[in-house]
Amino acid sequence: EVQLVESGGGLVQPGGSLRLSCAASGFTFSSYWMHWVRQAPGKGLVWISRITSDGSSTSYADSVKGRFTMSRDNAKNTLYLQMNSLSAEDTAVYYCARVMTTATTGNLNIWGQGTMVTVSS
Amino acid sequence: EIVLTQSPATLSLSPGERATLSCRASQSVSSYLAWYQQKPGQAPRLLIYDASNRATGIPARFSGSGSGTDFTLTISSLEPEDFAVYYCQQRSDWQNTFGQGTKLEIK
Repeated sequence: EVQLVESGGGLVQPGGSLRLSCAASGFTFSSYWMHWVRQAPGKGLVWISRITSDGSSTSYADSVKGRFTMSRDNAKNTLYLQMNSLSAEDTAVYYCARVMTTATTGNLNIWGQGTMVTVSS
Repeated sequence: EIVLTQSPATLSLSPGERATLSCRASQSVSSYLAWYQQKPGQAPRLLIYDASNRATGIPARFSGSGSGTDFTLTISSLEPEDFAVYYCQQRSDWQNTFGQGTKLEIK
């Protein structure tokens, strides 16, 4: 079964850091671009970042550029999101998502269940 | 950054009716537009990719059209399970973006 499982969410103080993980199974992880998307409580989806299949290139939304770093370990079938200098505006459910085919950069057809990040003192 | 504007914000219809949702881009995204459905407490589900292609397992009542800056998601005859929030997303720009969503509610 193709599956993505996020972990690492929780409560963090403003200015703090957190690292999210996304464990992939059931497919050849190293062949697919991956994305992170977040959703604040009661709000819409916001695209955060994406990474190429080999991890050589990343792109970020302006709202997180310079604070968040996306990476992957293809040997461990795991995606990461390092989040620094967190503020209340970063409070959200964070989803990792896989692109639909090995030949596309988008079209997210496999999603994890999400992990909640709460930034509060 | 390409801004996607969805309309209407809320659409109230009855089962069996036809739903038409709009997504407008601030600049051309060619056909690099997808549509997602999200129900409460669930992750989004890909419905349509590259403007007009149904994803695997998506019923034929869902269809997408458009190119450039104007796109439409049509649900030909609403089923009870179709009432949800719908988002468009573009992948034309290196910064992918989502629209703000359209809530499809039961009238």
